[in-house]
Amino acid sequence: SYVLTQPPSVSVAPGQTARITCGGNNIGSKSVHWYQQKPGQAPVLVVYDDSDRPSGIPERFSGSNSGNTATLTISRVEAGDEADYYCQVWDSSRDHVVFGGGTKLTVV
Amino acid sequence: QLVESGGGLVQPGGSLRISCAASGFTFSFYEMKWVRQAPGKGLEWASYISSSGSSMYYVDSVKGRFTISRDNAKNSLYLQMNSLRAEDTAVYYCARIRSGAARPGKYYYYMDVWGKGTTVTVSS
Repeated sequence: SYVLTQPPSVSVAPGQTARITCGGNNIGSKSVHWYQQKPGQAPVLVVYDDSDRPSGIPERFSGSNSGNTATLTISRVEAGDEADYYCQVWDSSRDHVVFGGGTKLTVV
Repeated sequence: QLVESGGGLVQPGGSLRISCAASGFTFSFYEMKWVRQAPGKGLEWASYISSSGSSMYYVDSVKGRFTISRDNAKNSLYLQMNSLRAEDTAVYYCARIRSGAARPGKYYYYMDVWGKGTTVTVSS
């Protein structure tokens, strides 16, 4: 089955740029989506279809996808961005959703 | 908006039915999913149902034990869970699915609206 690999943790200082990667075999050929989950809360979609943002999501959140890596970029990081972030794709070979293992973003 | 209910503590081997009430959109137009999250773990899809309710799919670990259903007249989604095991302990989220082909050869499938979740604990 298709596997998505995310780093367990990423740390960044306030005001800097955070980049969270999601690796997968030829992931650039797939549509990648990203979710933010704060402690005790439900996931929230922050980027869909590689680089589109739902309404209400700040422009500071952006995505890219090429080759074997998709990236969620958070510019001008704020303390409120601390959360777990999950990437997700559709695995057409098994007709089901695949999630990455999640990355904990810490704002230090 | 999606609001789950019905979670609780159940003994191993027991049964539980959780529900999800939808509002603010035309429920019958959308495919739906149950996604679960074990304590301290990541997200895992558990079950899927088509907009009409005619197609259902399950992750291998729950096949034969869980049954997903919906009542479009009541704007409600359900998950009947039987023969529960300790490893089914999780927060269960219902989620609305968006799917299609934005560009030729690239199919998108994601969950754009999530409920707050209901907690299911399987323990003696």
